[in-house]
Amino acid sequence: EAQVTQNPRYLITVTGKKLTVTCSQNMNHEYMSWYRQDPGLGLRQIYYSMNVEVTDKGDVPEGYKVSRKEKRNFPLILESPSPNQTSLYFCASSLYEGQPQHFGDGTRLSIL
Amino acid sequence: QKEVEQDPGPLSVPEGAIVSLNCTYSNSAFQYFMWYRQYSRKGPELLMYTYSSGNKEDGRFTAQVDKSSKYISLFIRDSQPSDSATYLCAMGPGSGGYQKVTFGTGTKLQVIP
Repeated sequence: EAQVTQNPRYLITVTGKKLTVTCSQNMNHEYMSWYRQDPGLGLRQIYYSMNVEVTDKGDVPEGYKVSRKEKRNFPLILESPSPNQTSLYFCASSLYEGQPQHFGDGTRLSIL
Repeated sequence: QKEVEQDPGPLSVPEGAIVSLNCTYSNSAFQYFMWYRQYSRKGPELLMYTYSSGNKEDGRFTAQVDKSSKYISLFIRDSQPSDSATYLCAMGPGSGGYQKVTFGTGTKLQVIP
């Protein structure tokens, strides 16, 4: 089954404690992206990657890091999380940029 | 002004009604348009994908694009309780530079049995 898998699905943590949200896709997609979804603001892109070792900033990259060492994986790293990063996060992938994206089921992060 | 505007709702309709969901946009470079459906605690899933102006039908769903008015619509015929979800419009430039997709904020729909 074609899918984008995110882990964990839920996480409550404290300010400053580094965390990583993993994302993996099994569709051999070139393009992967991270979004955060907040009430009234919709989906905002954090980072994207057009291929292995190629990443770039989206609209709201501050406080986040990503890496793309393998085609299937695109982890999101919060080096020093803060409460304003409390949000619902989605990883997505598509064959190429600009194509309709497949989304994971989301990771709800709460930073206390 | 946001690039893509979408009424957040919520929109409540009785089962069997025709539902109309809409988005307006300001960027005339947008060439392709999508509608996603998002159930609670799930990620968005693609419903419809259209390129440029016109209509596209898929079962009970019809997507309509009017580029002259910068207005897109999703119609749901014979709505069912299982259609209760948040509907997101999305659009992209289709050519030149990075093909960033811009999303609307979503309209929450409730279909009442």
